[in-house]
Amino acid sequence: NAGVMQNPRHLVRRRGQEARLRCSPMKGHSHVYWYRQLPEEGLKFMVYLQKENIIDESGMPKERFSAEFPKEGPSILRIQQVVRGDSAAYFCASSRGLAGEQETQYFGPGTRLLVL
Amino acid sequence: AQTVTQSQPEMSVQEAETVTLSCTYDTSENNYYLFWYKQPPSRQMILVIRQEAYKQQNATENRFSVNFQKAAKSFSLKISDSQLGDTAMYFCAFMKHGGATNKLIFGTGTLLAVQP
Repeated sequence: NAGVMQNPRHLVRRRGQEARLRCSPMKGHSHVYWYRQLPEEGLKFMVYLQKENIIDESGMPKERFSAEFPKEGPSILRIQQVVRGDSAAYFCASSRGLAGEQETQYFGPGTRLLVL
Repeated sequence: AQTVTQSQPEMSVQEAETVTLSCTYDTSENNYYLFWYKQPPSRQMILVIRQEAYKQQNATENRFSVNFQKAAKSFSLKISDSQLGDTAMYFCAFMKHGGATNKLIFGTGTLLAVQP
């Protein structure tokens, strides 16, 4: 029973380039969450998606960041024109649903983005 | 808005001893969940324990147990018989029950070092 998968595990980009981070939820999970962890800080919520829908993007920066969770394939977090301040660990989590035990989120290993 | 506070940035414990990590939170909600996640040096986020606010009984998972004081808005984690593998950053997290989103709100973490 595979857990949450994220790739790549490490990503290096130069300023101005685009970064694409992928997340495949656990089998049977249809809810995906993205969190960002800046160095020496806790995780901060970015966005919550269900298949083909963005439910809550209140934590997403207004510019350059976007997320999707298509009907087929992994969820994608896309950062355009990256800047040094985007360097962080980006974690994806998934859950089965919205009630009781189904709400528990399980995390992937994270993608460490370094912007040079 | 909900907030989670972990007032102990770092703690140390001898192997086989017991240690308690503190967490307090602020919310006006009555129904919610509380979690402890650990993040070992691998940086993977691992669920340790979960507590539903409507349950008076404190959750336990093997050597891990919580002391949930709803009136005081306190949610401490007790680790018994500490092992070297328990060395990690521990994050307390809050999730509101119901509504359209299940985002986790994290504290800033407590770095626990288990000494041989």
